[in-house]
Amino acid sequence: SAVISQKPSRDICQRGTSLTIQCQVDSQVTMMFWYRQQPGQSLTLIATANQGSEATYESGFVIDKFPISRPNLTFSTLTVSNMSPEDSSIYLCSASRGSEQFFGPGTRLTVL
Amino acid sequence: GENVEQHPSTLSVQEGDSAVIKCTYSDSASNYFPWYKQELGKGPQLIIDIRSNVGEKKDQRIAVTLNKTAKHFSLHITETQPEDSAVYFCAARRADQAGTALIFGKGTTLSVSS
Repeated sequence: SAVISQKPSRDICQRGTSLTIQCQVDSQVTMMFWYRQQPGQSLTLIATANQGSEATYESGFVIDKFPISRPNLTFSTLTVSNMSPEDSSIYLCSASRGSEQFFGPGTRLTVL
Repeated sequence: GENVEQHPSTLSVQEGDSAVIKCTYSDSASNYFPWYKQELGKGPQLIIDIRSNVGEKKDQRIAVTLNKTAKHFSLHITETQPEDSAVYFCAARRADQAGTALIFGKGTTLSVSS
């Protein structure tokens, strides 16, 4: 398995500001992903973080709003830009090694 | 693209009973089907998975079955315990050029009462 850590674990932000979430994996992984989970809801894939190139975004998510970096095989960041209360959610980093996919503990974001 | 349906959305059982959660998927090219358990305030934890070349897999009190023809798979928990209470998600791996990304069902909240 892979151990994934995220920082911060939670934050309360003002609308119009941006927050960058960091994700660190304890060993090299094949793929890294970012998901969003609304309270009591399922996981929605935001994008695949590609190492050394632009992320691949799912329908409904755009780079200007959710810029993603992946400078190496074990680290990625997700920025939530120009936040509004609708961005309040749990953001989950995920990584795969072979077939298996693992998740971090999540970042709980509240936008006021 | 892939779509995963999960039922039921909530399930309440008595301690010691069995629990079954069912999922269907739409993309016949999907080939990997994991199950995750998510406890309150934590990220999803992989508990068992099955690949498309296998019909059933067991791990102690947990088993997963796959019917490729019908495109459905199920999670079976036997001798349930209060600590099994959590939200369970099924997922299917979409195999395409963008890489392997899991698509999730909507989740089942399992409550085990003692």
